[in-house]
Amino acid sequence: SQTIHQWPATLVQPVGSPLSLECTVEGTSNPNLYWYRQAAGRGLQLLFYSVGIGQISSEVPQNLSASRPQDRQFILSSKKLLLSDSGFYLCAWNYGQGRNTEAFFGQGTRLTVV
Amino acid sequence: GQQVMQIPQYQHVQEGEDFTTYCNSSTTLSNIQWYKQRPGGHPVFLIQLVKSGEVKKQKRLTFQFGEAKKNSSLHITATQTTDVGTYFCAGDSGGYQKVTFGTGTKLQVIP
Repeated sequence: SQTIHQWPATLVQPVGSPLSLECTVEGTSNPNLYWYRQAAGRGLQLLFYSVGIGQISSEVPQNLSASRPQDRQFILSSKKLLLSDSGFYLCAWNYGQGRNTEAFFGQGTRLTVV
Repeated sequence: GQQVMQIPQYQHVQEGEDFTTYCNSSTTLSNIQWYKQRPGGHPVFLIQLVKSGEVKKQKRLTFQFGEAKKNSSLHITATQTTDVGTYFCAGDSGGYQKVTFGTGTKLQVIP
């Protein structure tokens, strides 16, 4: 069966520090991968999505970046965090290539920038 | 780009009352999905609708996909405290499989 792992679960970082959040998927190959951000009490904002290794599409210009170094690994990074980067970050995957587009989410990372 | 809006943003209901959330897309969708996010949790898939005018039921939940495939609704009959959470619709306009989530409706059930 397929599983998605996302870590860490919580993170407190000072303003200006770097960020690296990692997400890995098991049990499937060539998934679509997504990073979403959810501000407190708000909706899901799509940050990045990827349909294959090295293929990243950015939805919102910001100081975040994403990389997909391996088929089932998706990394969200920042060189210098801002206060406004605080939020709940969710990684998700779904099948690509015309199949069912149901999205499976990781447990999320609650980031607080102080 | 594609926008998916939901109304209402918040809804408080007395336990036992019905609840409906509406989802509207700026573009025609190839399918619509619904997710539930419990407080502090991550979104969990509920159902997917594909056909124009499709209606599906899951116990007290009824999901509908509009004839033009640009809108959808989720209706909960006789709400329970376990229904508390935020309900999101999500649309895939096809082509690149990108899933765009609606703005969500937060449901609070008063016992």
